[in-house]
Amino acid sequence: QQQVKQSPQSLIVQKGGISIINCAYENTAFDYFPWYQQFPGKGPALLIAIRPDVSEKKEGRFTISFNKSAKQFSLHIMDSQPGDSATYFCAASGVTGGGNKLTFGTGTQLKVEL
Amino acid sequence: DAGVIQSPRHEVTEMGQEVTLRCKPISGHNSLFWYRQTMMRGLELLIYFNNNVPIDDSGMPEDRFSAKMPNASFSTLKIQPSEPRDSAVYFCASSFAPMNTEAFFGQGTRLTVV
Repeated sequence: QQQVKQSPQSLIVQKGGISIINCAYENTAFDYFPWYQQFPGKGPALLIAIRPDVSEKKEGRFTISFNKSAKQFSLHIMDSQPGDSATYFCAASGVTGGGNKLTFGTGTQLKVEL
Repeated sequence: DAGVIQSPRHEVTEMGQEVTLRCKPISGHNSLFWYRQTMMRGLELLIYFNNNVPIDDSGMPEDRFSAKMPNASFSTLKIQPSEPRDSAVYFCASSFAPMNTEAFFGQGTRLTVV
């Protein structure tokens, strides 16, 4: 059962453009929604995260929009740069057994072209 | 802190051999996760420990896979016997639950079973 659905699978954006990646979740017990960025040969690293008590969070060029009623959230990368080319994963977690179990989406390969 | 440390970085083994992957979480973290990453299935959670106790092993593919966490600073993932379909990148991640839900990933172990 895929609890977090992510789209698109791949994305090509021109330098300076806006990259948008979407995710949808099923489990209403999720209370933490991070986005991870992964470069080739590296482990995923936290980029930005949001909790369901807010509808938007912005950090620099990166913004998460969150729609609790629709159970959807998205990542917007403004002024996309070639250095942003990476794989992006959305994730969701909720307290389970005293800890937090992260469930990941299937990933989006972003390429930013000059 | 050096971050999450995994060893080896690369492992090539023959089908039927035993493989042991190792992980040292970040000091002070009390949750540890093992993930497997493949092109086809993305990032899959295999098993999750909290305070050295396995909480959820529902992602472990089959009995050939086992994981242990004998103390707060060390965990192993063992595959016995290994099969070509086990070829993947295996990541270990740690976090401090439940207050801080950011998971920090290691560099991963690229396993190739021939």
